[in-house]
Parts: sequence; structure tokens; C-alpha cells
Amino acid sequence: GQNIDQPTEMTATEGAIVQINCTYQTSGFNGLFWYQQHAGEAPTFLSYNVLDGLEEKGRFSSFLSRSKGYSYLLLKELQMKDSASYLCAVSLGGDKIIFGKGTRLHILP
Amino acid sequence: ETGVTQSPTHLIKTRGQQVTLRCSSQSGHNTVSWYQQALGQGPQFIFQYYREEENGRGNFPPRFSGLQFPNYSSELNVNALELDDSALYLCASSLVAGADGYTFGSGTRLTVV
Repeated sequence: GQNIDQPTEMTATEGAIVQINCTYQTSGFNGLFWYQQHAGEAPTFLSYNVLDGLEEKGRFSSFLSRSKGYSYLLLKELQMKDSASYLCAVSLGGDKIIFGKGTRLHILP
Repeated sequence: ETGVTQSPTHLIKTRGQQVTLRCSSQSGHNTVSWYQQALGQGPQFIFQYYREEENGRGNFPPRFSGLQFPNYSSELNVNALELDDSALYLCASSLVAGADGYTFGSGTRLTVV
């Protein structure tokens, strides 16, 4: 079976840093995505990791360890607009992507 | 370049009825995937279409069916609606082997009463 685990909810303060972890056990692996989803809206692409290591893109960074089946999304200098759900998703190959249940991030002023 | 468009945006149906949801893929994308997202959950993979053929299916019963047309647009059909089918249905298009992942439509919110 396919299993992607991430925390259900997290709370952080405006201006701070937060790390959202994701572990996965899947039958195939081509890469790992992070998506952001605001309530009632479609998911939007944040990052895609294929190789081990850290990829930085502005305030957001994503890390991947394929041997550990582990990834995290790091958000720096948090802003109120970062309040959203963050979805960890694995590309299985053949252009198929499966999603975790998402982490709801609450930002406090 | 247009994105992914879905119609309708909201829909209310009665248990036992049938529903058809529509999706126009992003220009240049040849693959369409459908997801069901219940409130507070992540998207669950229903199936994927590539060049008008089903290219993989998730754990959904046969009353969930689909089509892809030559212009790569797609339909999701659900027969014999159940209350648990109430969810946001997301369509996503992609280009095979593209590293940008999916481009999602805004979804159709289906309520079954």
C-alpha cells in the first residue's frame, strides 16, 4: 500500500520559522512535491524534490532524504497569508501523484 | 495560456442521482487526473486519463467513471450518488514526465443530500 504521513495541524507565530515533516512509504518514487492549499481553493505548486538535499526558493525550502523516506518543508519569516494547508505528495511514476492528508498551519499575530 | 477550468463550481444532488463534472485541461497538457477531497483531508486519487485512455485508477468503485476527449478535456461521471460522495472534486492536468507536477482547477463542490 501507499502511506504518506504528516502532522494534522501546526501553529506558529508571524515572523517565525516552521518545519512541516512528511514521511512516506510508497511502491514507487520519482520525486516529492509540496503544495499549498488555502481553504476552498485549489492546491498550488510549491516545490519538487527528486534528489536528496535541500532546495531553497525564497522563504520556502524543501528537503528530501530518499533513504529515510523523509521530507520537510521549511517556511521562514512567516506571514499571515501563509495560513493554509500544506500537502506532501509523492510522484509514483507514470505521471501519478498521491497526496498525504495535509497539515493545517495556523499563523498567530 | 489558459489554466485548468472546471464546471460547475458548485452542485447539489440527491442520493441515487447521477452527476457529470467537466474539466478543460491547460493548453499543451495531455494528461488529466481526478481527485476527491473530503473536508479536512488530502486529495484522493480517483483515476487518470492519458490520450483518451484510462491510465491508472485509485480505490474507487466502478460507479465512478470518466472520459477524455481528443482535445484532452475530461469528464468525471458518478452514478448512484451516496451521501459520502459529498466532496470537492479536483481536476489536474499535466504533461507526462513534467517536473512541475499538476496544475489544478478550482474544483467542483458536490453536495449530496
